[in-house]
Amino acid sequence: SAVISQKPSRDICQRGTSLTIQCQVDSQVTMMFWYRQQPGQSLTLIATANQGSEATYESGFVIDKFPISRPNLTFSTLTVSNMSPEDSSIYLCSVVSRGDTDTQYFGPGTRLTVL
Amino acid sequence: GENVEQHPSTLSVQEGDSAVIKCTYSDSASNYFPWYKQELGKRPQLIIDIRSNVGEKKDQRIAVTLNKTAKHFSLHITETQPEDSAVYFCAAHNAGNMLTFGGGTRLMVKP
Repeated sequence: SAVISQKPSRDICQRGTSLTIQCQVDSQVTMMFWYRQQPGQSLTLIATANQGSEATYESGFVIDKFPISRPNLTFSTLTVSNMSPEDSSIYLCSVVSRGDTDTQYFGPGTRLTVL
Repeated sequence: GENVEQHPSTLSVQEGDSAVIKCTYSDSASNYFPWYKQELGKRPQLIIDIRSNVGEKKDQRIAVTLNKTAKHFSLHITETQPEDSAVYFCAAHNAGNMLTFGGGTRLMVKP
């Protein structure tokens, strides 16, 4: 499976600021997703990162709050904008590799704490 | 949209015993059902998956069963070991190419 890395691995931020999280894959993938995992909770899909076009957001998530870029087949960014303590979560990217149809593999996650 | 329910939320077993985690889903069009194991502070790791064209799949001590008619699937772990302790998530994949996750089961294996 593809090797997935995320930066930063963790951060502590002040409310009102923004943080951009990067997801890098070592091979071209067909699909990339961003998830949020609040403390002690399950995984919730934020959006599908579409290469060369606007991301597709799930109900409850909007582009102004979580802008996403995917300039190529191996890289995506998620920005958490105007942060509040409620945004404290783990943010994970996942990918579907080329040659696969639906199996998702996860990056190591970014642990965000907002003070 | 798809809704996935997972039970139990916590499960404690003695080492060597079996553990069973059950999930139900709502969308009859869902066709792929992976299971992930997440250890504390780590990423979810795919441990086994099953597609809608089979009823059972086994990989060493882990097996998954699927009942499409009843829309439920289960994870079975035999001869549990302390290193099996983790949070397990089921998920259902629908035609929209998205995974919907269950709420998770915290499995504790007591030595």
